[in-house]
Amino acid sequence: GAGVSQSPSNKVTEKGKDVELRCDPISGHTALYWYRQSLGQGLEFLIYFQGNSAPDKSGLPSDRFSAERTGGSVSTLTIQRTQQEDSAVYLCASSLGLAGSYNEQFFGPGTRLTVL
Amino acid sequence: RKEVEQDPGPFNVPEGATVAFNCTYSNSASQSFFWYRQDCRKEPKLLMSVYSSGNEDGRFTAQLNRASQYISLLIRDSKLSDSATYLCVVDSGTYKYIFGTGTRLKVLA
Repeated sequence: GAGVSQSPSNKVTEKGKDVELRCDPISGHTALYWYRQSLGQGLEFLIYFQGNSAPDKSGLPSDRFSAERTGGSVSTLTIQRTQQEDSAVYLCASSLGLAGSYNEQFFGPGTRLTVL
Repeated sequence: RKEVEQDPGPFNVPEGATVAFNCTYSNSASQSFFWYRQDCRKEPKLLMSVYSSGNEDGRFTAQLNRASQYISLLIRDSKLSDSATYLCVVDSGTYKYIFGTGTRLKVLA
């Protein structure tokens, strides 16, 4: 079946512009994560969605970052007034979201964002 | 202290060698531990979970030491295709998972 897909795969933007990144999780996966990976760094947690519960936004680095998940499926991560330090690969992952156990996270290919 | 720490490497080893990586974690309440593999410019993929009793999958062996709060990954008979970055992942006590920065392995012909 289809895995996690993300679009665009690459995005080059100018400082100060807004960008929107999209994630299509695996069908039936209720949990969805956004991470950011800068060059040579580990994955930085940004936000977590689980079913209809309020998302955990504790990892968002500033109020320029926001995310939503419509209908419990597709998610968009929006970065307003982009800065050069926002340049990174943005990875989306989904999992079954079953309580009480680890559910393997399946990652999308990521969106490589470059802010000039 | 970082929540999850790994030696970044690179570990350069000849084909056929045995190599081991360690990863330390700071949250004693963590219950779930994993190794992910990430190829250059690709997304991470689950390599194996780490169980208390230790577990083996072919040439790969993972172990957990709760007393010292570290997990390890042993790769025997290294192949060129094992060249990648290995990410240690530990749960934070909730649904959040903390990823280490990774250990880079290069297997040389």
